[in-house]
Amino acid sequence: ELKVEQNPLFLSMQEGKNYTIYCNYSTTSDRLYWYRQDPGKSLESLFVLLSNGAVKQEGRLMASLDTKARLSTLHITAAVHDLSATYFCAVDKGQGGKLIFGQGTELSVKP
Amino acid sequence: NAGVTQTPKFQVLKTGQSMTLQCAQDMNHEYMSWYRQDPGMGLRLIHYSVGAGITDQGEVPNGYNVSRSTTEDFPLRLLSAAPSQTSVYFCASRQPGGTEAFFGQGTRLTVV
Repeated sequence: ELKVEQNPLFLSMQEGKNYTIYCNYSTTSDRLYWYRQDPGKSLESLFVLLSNGAVKQEGRLMASLDTKARLSTLHITAAVHDLSATYFCAVDKGQGGKLIFGQGTELSVKP
Repeated sequence: NAGVTQTPKFQVLKTGQSMTLQCAQDMNHEYMSWYRQDPGMGLRLIHYSVGAGITDQGEVPNGYNVSRSTTEDFPLRLLSAAPSQTSVYFCASRQPGGTEAFFGQGTRLTVV
């Protein structure tokens, strides 16, 4: 059974600091997604990682994938308040577009 | 440019009532799926479909039925609502081989 675990589940950061969110998954998969969710809203796609060693960056966020370690990271550089949200990783479970989600990391960036 | 459309956005049901949550996509995607989101548990897969006429169960299918008569629509039916089905429901679609999964805006369901 595919399991996806994120840590930490809650993260309170100061503006300007760096931090990393970790996403571990239990079986092999050929793609991994990162999403952002604001309170009461839907999921906003941040990154899709398709292969071992993939690294993608958008603004202050950078995601990477190590398929051998079954680990993805979302690195936040010089956090700003606008990054406050809940971040989810999700692993594709194969045919059918089935996604298995982590529990989510609730990020709060304080001035 | 509608994408994935869910209706209704909010619904309150009494225990034992039935209802259908609607999901429609206009991108001609073969893959569609339903998730529920509960606090602290992320999103969990309820049912999914790989094309018209083909559906299968996900992680938490009990109490829900689905059908897929067209490529565009994938309704989720609650036959006899229970308070444990209070949740936010999301529909998603993707094309086989495609990278992007598109989510609807969600339906917030409360069962009293």
